Amino acid sequence: DVKVTQSSRYLVKRTGEKVFLECVQDMDHENMFWYRQDPGLGLRLIYFSYDVKMKEKGDIPEGYSVSREKKERFSLILESASTNQTSMYLCASVGTGPQPQHFGDGTRLSIL
Amino acid sequence: QQPVQSPQAVILREGEDAVINCSSSKALYSVHWYRQKHGEAPVFLMILLKGGEQKGHDKISASFNEKKQQSSLYLTASQLSYSGTYFCGTAEIGSNYKLTFGKGTLLTVNP
Repeated sequence: DVKVTQSSRYLVKRTGEKVFLECVQDMDHENMFWYRQDPGLGLRLIYFSYDVKMKEKGDIPEGYSVSREKKERFSLILESASTNQTSMYLCASVGTGPQPQHFGDGTRLSIL
Repeated sequence: QQPVQSPQAVILREGEDAVINCSSSKALYSVHWYRQKHGEAPVFLMILLKGGEQKGHDKISASFNEKKQQSSLYLTASQLSYSGTYFCGTAEIGSNYKLTFGKGTLLTVNP
């Protein structure tokens, strides 16, 4: 079974801090994604990566950046956290072809 | 632009049927369906590809109308375990891996 592991289930940070969310997958998938989930808004794509060091903006990239130095790891960075970035963050990965995306358990991030 | 899901919420009694719809304004390559229970990760249900196919999985099935860019998820003889939020994710032609998700449909099945 595919395993997508997010480093923290819950995280509390302060406004202005630099925040790192880590995601690791164990299935050698080329494609990895970061989503943000808010009540009533569904899952919205922040950034995705289709190969090491390659990235593309999703629908809501403002205030975020990403890093993919190794194939199995995809990091989401909040350069200067703000309260409106309080949310559930989900990481997912998928291989080539029309396959299901596999999700991590999510990180509930609170910015105070 | 997110696909539009309807209804936003539905309440059923065990054994009743439900239909959840997903509509896009884009030309689609595939439609994915997921179910998410509270506090858990979304779980994959099925993928429908361009070509207008219909798929089934136990008592949950789905169809994809390529001409209308619409998909429907059918839940028959609902069970308590079907409760959760259902999301459709759509992949546009030429963007096979990137999904755009709808806002979700909250399904509650009561005894």
